[in-house]
Amino acid sequence: GAVVSQHPSWVICKSGTSVKIECRSLDFQATTMFWYRQFPKQSLMLMATSNEGSKATYEQGVEKDKFLINHASLTLSTLTVTSAHPEDSSFYICSARDIANQETQYFGPGTRLLVL
Amino acid sequence: SQQGEEDPQALSIQEGENATMNCSYKTSINNLQWYRQNSGRGLVHLILIRSNEREKHSGRLRVTLDTSKKSSSLLITASRAADTASYFCATDYNQFYFGTGTSLTVIP
Repeated sequence: GAVVSQHPSWVICKSGTSVKIECRSLDFQATTMFWYRQFPKQSLMLMATSNEGSKATYEQGVEKDKFLINHASLTLSTLTVTSAHPEDSSFYICSARDIANQETQYFGPGTRLLVL
Repeated sequence: SQQGEEDPQALSIQEGENATMNCSYKTSINNLQWYRQNSGRGLVHLILIRSNEREKHSGRLRVTLDTSKKSSSLLITASRAADTASYFCATDYNQFYFGTGTSLTVIP
């Protein structure tokens, strides 16, 4: 089946630094990718919808200047957490919607971020 | 919030029993999907039911959808210890929103 990769799988950084997470669809093209954040024992909260070649659509309460999303190609979207703080520590998961079958989404394995 | 709600939040059953989880949502949908997640791991897609479908089966899973009530249920029959996980519904329209989840524990 189709695969979505995320890199890095985990990252530890100091408070104030920026962290970039990549989400790639490996064997299909995706016009739409979604970014989620999941805190321990909670559900996945949609942060933003990323469309190739256009600006991302952010959910209410998600700061677009803090969580920068770039979707420059049909196989790659990036999420940059700028000036990370300990409260940004979370599990970040992306998903990609298959351009050939819009019903189908594939999820990445997630990136665990710990901000010290 | 666009997030759907699931109940129960937590469910503990004996191996061999059936487990039923319910999901209520707020928006229109194209389809509704169910996922499982083992602790700290990625998501596993279980089943998709379209808005014009009322019931769907896949192995030991049975999903129902009532669009008039904006609700869905997931039934796992003859549960196994390996079914222990968190289960989430997710609604698909333009965005893709997850429900609050049900934590299922199957006791051997």
